[in-house]
Amino acid sequence: TQLLEQSPQFLSIQEGENLTVYCNSSSVFSSLQWYRQEPGEGPVLLVTVVTGGEVKKLKRLTFQFGDARKDSSLHITAAQPGDTGLYLCAVPSGNTGKLIFGQGTTLQVKP
Amino acid sequence: DSGVTQTPKHLITATGQRVTLRCSPRSGDLSVYWYQQSLDQGLQFLIQYYNGEERAKGNILERFSAQQFPDLHSELNLSSLELGDSALYFCASSPDPGGPGELFFGEGSRLTVL
Repeated sequence: TQLLEQSPQFLSIQEGENLTVYCNSSSVFSSLQWYRQEPGEGPVLLVTVVTGGEVKKLKRLTFQFGDARKDSSLHITAAQPGDTGLYLCAVPSGNTGKLIFGQGTTLQVKP
Repeated sequence: DSGVTQTPKHLITATGQRVTLRCSPRSGDLSVYWYQQSLDQGLQFLIQYYNGEERAKGNILERFSAQQFPDLHSELNLSSLELGDSALYFCASSPDPGGPGELFFGEGSRLTVL
């Protein structure tokens, strides 16, 4: 059983469409991070959310942390081919700094 | 460029062999983390070192070992390799072991076991 369940696993859309991906758990977290991984690269941090109900915006990306701090969503407005990649949510485990990652959502944006 | 350097980028070897993956963390980062990424398991935490000492351990196989040297670079040793060990191995670093800070990942080492 995965600690973090991400959905959908795969998403293929046309440029200009909107989309939302989800990261769910039955556990409560002190914080949650979203990373994006492009082919041939390592994951890169997009955002950290720490407060229940928090909403953060990064250009066309909107991140929300659930009120109960068990889940999060990432909404992309007017997707572009440059948004193509693997989106991973991650939470801290213990107090050592290590992160546990979800399986990820692979997003393909076609021109 | 994350500042984390991993070598080699690609490695092809045979079952039963042993390989060593190397990681140089960002300048000033004391924590190094190793992750394994495969299609069916996703990004799995293996082990963490902080300033030369083992800090946390994940589901790392007994055939795998790691260490962090005084200059803070780290090596992941994989022995008695099996087909299922084929994966991307990532190293990440961070300045603060307490979190929830950002992890800075290298570009990974792609291991293929034939």
